[in-house]
Amino acid sequence: DARVTQTPRHKVTEMGQEVTMRCQPILGHNTVFWYRQTMMQGLELLAYFRNRAPLDDSGMPKDRFSAEMPDATLATLKIQPSEPRDSAVYFCASGLVLGSTDTQYFGPGTRLTVL
Amino acid sequence: AQSVTQLGSHVSVSEGALVLLRCNYSSSVPPYLFWYVQYPNQGLQLLLKYTSAATLVKGINGFEAEFKKSETSFHLTKPSAHMSDAAEYFCAVSEIAGGYQKVTFGIGTKLQVIP
Repeated sequence: DARVTQTPRHKVTEMGQEVTMRCQPILGHNTVFWYRQTMMQGLELLAYFRNRAPLDDSGMPKDRFSAEMPDATLATLKIQPSEPRDSAVYFCASGLVLGSTDTQYFGPGTRLTVL
Repeated sequence: AQSVTQLGSHVSVSEGALVLLRCNYSSSVPPYLFWYVQYPNQGLQLLLKYTSAATLVKGINGFEAEFKKSETSFHLTKPSAHMSDAAEYFCAVSEIAGGYQKVTFGIGTKLQVIP
């Protein structure tokens, strides 16, 4: 049963600290998405990768957020420095792009709390 | 620009009663539509998707949705609610934009099932 995995599942940190979240997409998938979920904003797309190349990161605050795919089995989302307003659940999703009907497979999320 | 509107952020039904979750979409091109479900502390998982093959789409766990172009709607229904259906449900619309699949999620509807 192939699944997207995310680590850590929970992270509590203090303002100003660096936070790194990791995602392992499903083997063979060529797209990776990073989303942020909050009560106020719902699901927001932060970044999108296809074949490890970033295609869209317009939803990401550029000054403090960065997303990379060092290889096909790992995607990372970093926040430096973190702020209390970054507190949210961060989801990674992967998929196999075939067109507009592609299904996204979500990981369990990383719940980030910035104090 | 595409968008989805989910009417009712919270819906309560009695166990055994009809479930109806509403979704209206806006899209400049023929839409591809999805319903995802999120159980507590989990990521989103696909319930069903509309790919233009048939207007009535059947999904997992007894859910189905009907695409109505004239009403720009894609409402989710289930004849008889179970306690296990309590979750948050997201409608989403997908289209190719800028050379890649862009998915826009609704704000979500939390379904409460009353025994």
